[in-house]
Amino acid sequence: KAGVTQTPRYLIKTRGQQVTLSCSPISGHRSVSWYQQTPGQGLQFLFEYFSETQRNKGNFPGRFSGRQFSNSRSEMNVSTLELGDSALYLCASSPVGLAGGRADTQYFGPGTRLTVL
Amino acid sequence: GENVEQHPSTLSVQEGDSAVIKCTYSDSASNYFPWYKQELGKGPQLIIDIRSNVGEKKDQRIAVTLNKTAKHFSLHITETQPEDSAVYFCAASKVDSSYKLIFGSGTRLLVRP
Repeated sequence: KAGVTQTPRYLIKTRGQQVTLSCSPISGHRSVSWYQQTPGQGLQFLFEYFSETQRNKGNFPGRFSGRQFSNSRSEMNVSTLELGDSALYLCASSPVGLAGGRADTQYFGPGTRLTVL
Repeated sequence: GENVEQHPSTLSVQEGDSAVIKCTYSDSASNYFPWYKQELGKGPQLIIDIRSNVGEKKDQRIAVTLNKTAKHFSLHITETQPEDSAVYFCAASKVDSSYKLIFGSGTRLLVRP
């Protein structure tokens, strides 16, 4: 099975611009989560989508948004970019389907390296 | 709030020795504890995980132990090899937000040949 794919792998933007990152989950996986990784803050949860609905959100400003399509692919958008948004953005997918809130394993993609100048 | 502390931040061992990384979590509702290995230029790769109804789990040279009372879990790597060199992250999540992983700050492991 192909793993989680993210595009683009590298991106350079300037302050004030907006950016859209894409994530294709492992075939059959229905949950997609996004994380931001920086040297200073480490790995931080952004949001999680399942069946085109956001189920959980981290502590990020409203400039960070996402969506999920009917084929489970997901995009995240960052508007009005700031220098501090420079980071590795990671997408993770999970199969989902077990009842009772049992946590599924999350499989990560290689990430998109965003640099804001 | 939710927090996971991880120690040490760097660890250097001789090839063949054991390595131990420790994490402490703050939220007693946490019930799932994965460990990830991240190599340069790659995303985190799951190496082992444990759930709160189990005290220990082993997979070849890797083992994880969980002490729910102390809210503490550890990763043990035996017979380390140079290819084990990477950054290791612990994480925790809980039932009502099981897809929200709270990560530790990472441990850079260097295995000297």
